[in-house]
Amino acid sequence: DAGVIQSPRHEVTEMGQEVTLRCKPISGHNSLFWYRQTMMRGLELLIYFNNNVPIDDSGMPEDRFSAKMPNASFSTLKIQPSEPRDSAVYFCASSFLVAQETQYFGPGTRLLVL
Amino acid sequence: QKEVEQNSGPLSVPEGAIASLNCTYSDRGSQSFFWYRQYSGKSPELIMSIYSNGDKEDGRFTAQLNKASQYVSLLIRDSQPSDSATYLCAAETGANNLFFGTGTRLTVIP
Repeated sequence: DAGVIQSPRHEVTEMGQEVTLRCKPISGHNSLFWYRQTMMRGLELLIYFNNNVPIDDSGMPEDRFSAKMPNASFSTLKIQPSEPRDSAVYFCASSFLVAQETQYFGPGTRLLVL
Repeated sequence: QKEVEQNSGPLSVPEGAIASLNCTYSDRGSQSFFWYRQYSGKSPELIMSIYSNGDKEDGRFTAQLNKASQYVSLLIRDSQPSDSATYLCAAETGANNLFFGTGTRLTVIP
């Protein structure tokens, strides 16, 4: 199994630009999570999906952030427009619905907004 | 506000010693607790889960849970340099997702 796949692994962009992060969960997993990690705030849950349906997006910081899961094997997290304070590592994780605490993390996307 | 608090460290122990990592949580409704290990520049990986009061052992790792005190700990016996990492404590929120602490950085000195 290839594990959770995220792309790009690194992204450097300028303030105001649109950023799209991509995630492919482990095949068969039906829960998908987007996290943001910073030194100051640690690992924060942004949004999660069960069976492609968004369940809780209360962690999404503001309207500039949006996430979609059009099918069971693909999800995107979009930031538009990006700001320097969005600089962080963004992780995608997946799990089985019945064991959501056992989450498998992707390698992360390191985002730097200049 | 659900919170999981950890001492950020760094915690340094000599090789072969016992490393003790501690975590407190604020939500009395949390029933399940987890320890994730994160090497520098890598993603978190699950190493232990605990659901009942008491101790749970897995190899060199022992997780301890005290729900009355809202306290979770992780003991690493015979610490090795390869154990040097950041350890994240997480509590299940009751909504089938996890709330993570900010992590404790452990360094095992050869």
